[in-house]
Amino acid sequence: GENVEQHPSTLSVQEGDSAVIKCTYSDSASNYFPWYKQELGKRPQLIIDIRSNVGEKKDQRIAVTLNKTAKHFSLHITETQPEDSAVYFCAASNRDTGNQFYFGTGTSLTVIP
Amino acid sequence: NAGVMQNPRHLVRRRGQEARLRCSPMKGHSHVYWYRQLPEEGLKFMVYLQKENIIDESGMPKERFSAEFPKEGPSILRIQQVVRGDSAAYFCASSPRTSVETQYFGPGTRLLVL
Repeated sequence: GENVEQHPSTLSVQEGDSAVIKCTYSDSASNYFPWYKQELGKRPQLIIDIRSNVGEKKDQRIAVTLNKTAKHFSLHITETQPEDSAVYFCAASNRDTGNQFYFGTGTSLTVIP
Repeated sequence: NAGVMQNPRHLVRRRGQEARLRCSPMKGHSHVYWYRQLPEEGLKFMVYLQKENIIDESGMPKERFSAEFPKEGPSILRIQQVVRGDSAAYFCASSPRTSVETQYFGPGTRLLVL
């Protein structure tokens, strides 16, 4: 089955700096890669996603890159703000076999004002 | 359009009791996924259902756990004879028929087994 690894587990940045979170996956058949943000006690919220036929996607301060050959993908947050502080999870799935999400272990991001 | 609903939000059970967790997907969504999140860990896939069918239950323990998604009503995750290790947050997510990729998560049910 799919195995997703995520690094780092914790990340502290100064407000305004950039944050990068990296994930690797094991199953080359995975073709959909969402990122979720989870605040304490809340539900995971989708922030950005990317399909395997795309190498990069950007939405304002958030971008995701995908390297299919190396089987890794990354989340980039620029100009971080205190409200970006949360736990971020990457996931991988195969849309063709049910789209079950296999999540990384999460990155706790703290943005220091 | 109401989001994914789960109830109860918090559930306390003693060892050996049964826990029933309910999930109402977003209107028009026919795919339901259940995930378990242990304290300070990531979400683990448990089971994927469509109306009246279990599609994939490979992530669900073989014993004590069962799930259903009837033609009418919410999806139910049932845990029999709960043990302390079942204490976790259980999230369901739903996705629409026409665009299967994106999953929308419910607020979760936090189960505490005493």
